[in-house]
Amino acid sequence: DAKTTQPPSMDCAEGRAANLPCNHSTISGNEYVYWYRQIHSQGPQYIIHGLKNNETNEMASLIITEDRKSSTLILPHATLRDTAVYYCIVRAINTGTASKLTFGTGTRLQVTL
Amino acid sequence: DSGVTQTPKHLITATGQRVTLRCSPRSGDLSVYWYQQSLDQGLQFLIQYYNGEERAKGNILERFSAQQFPDLHSELNLSSLELGDSALYFCASSVNPGQGGGYTFGSGTRLTVV
Repeated sequence: DAKTTQPPSMDCAEGRAANLPCNHSTISGNEYVYWYRQIHSQGPQYIIHGLKNNETNEMASLIITEDRKSSTLILPHATLRDTAVYYCIVRAINTGTASKLTFGTGTRLQVTL
Repeated sequence: DSGVTQTPKHLITATGQRVTLRCSPRSGDLSVYWYQQSLDQGLQFLIQYYNGEERAKGNILERFSAQQFPDLHSELNLSSLELGDSALYFCASSVNPGQGGGYTFGSGTRLTVV
C-alpha cells in the first residue's frame, strides 16, 4: 500500500472548518484513500473513503486532487469532540479476501474554544 | 457501541503468563483483524482472518497466535508475556475485505503486564 504523509499536529477553533491534508504521491490506480480518527485510546473510527471523486457524508468531506496525489479531509464545523488523531490511509481493493489497514502516525487535531 | 465486542476491557497479569483476548465481530462481518497499540509503536497490524482462515499477517510475534471460530468470533492468545507486551489490543471487523468500505473497531482490551 502507498505511503502517506501528514502534518504531525494542527489546531482549529471550535466552529471553524478543519482542513487536514494528506500526501500520497505514490498512490496506485486501485488504491482508495481512507480516513479514520482515534479519540484518546478509543478504537479507531472510520470517517470516509474515496477513489477519485470528492465524497461527503454526515461526518466530513473528502477532497481528492485530480492527479490523486493528495487529499484533504474537511470537518465543516469542528467541535471539541473532534479533538483526535486523524489517520490518512491508502488501501488497495480487489485484493481477494486478504486485507489490512496500515496506520501511520497521523495528525493530532486539537480543537480549542 | 460499534457492534464489535471485545472482552475483557482490562487485564493485568504477570510476566511469563498466558492470556486470551476475545472479539465478537459486527453481525454479518466475515473478516476480523487484530491490532496492537503501544505508546511508542502506534497502531500495528497483527493478523487478519476471513471466514475462519488466516488471510494476512503483520508483525505478529511467535508467542502470539490467533484463530477465528465457526461462529466468526476470534481469539488472540498471548503467551510467555513480557513487560513490553503491555498495550491496547484492538479488534476490527469488515464485511468484504477485498472491496471498499471501512473497518469497524472495538473499544479494545488494555493489557498490563507486571
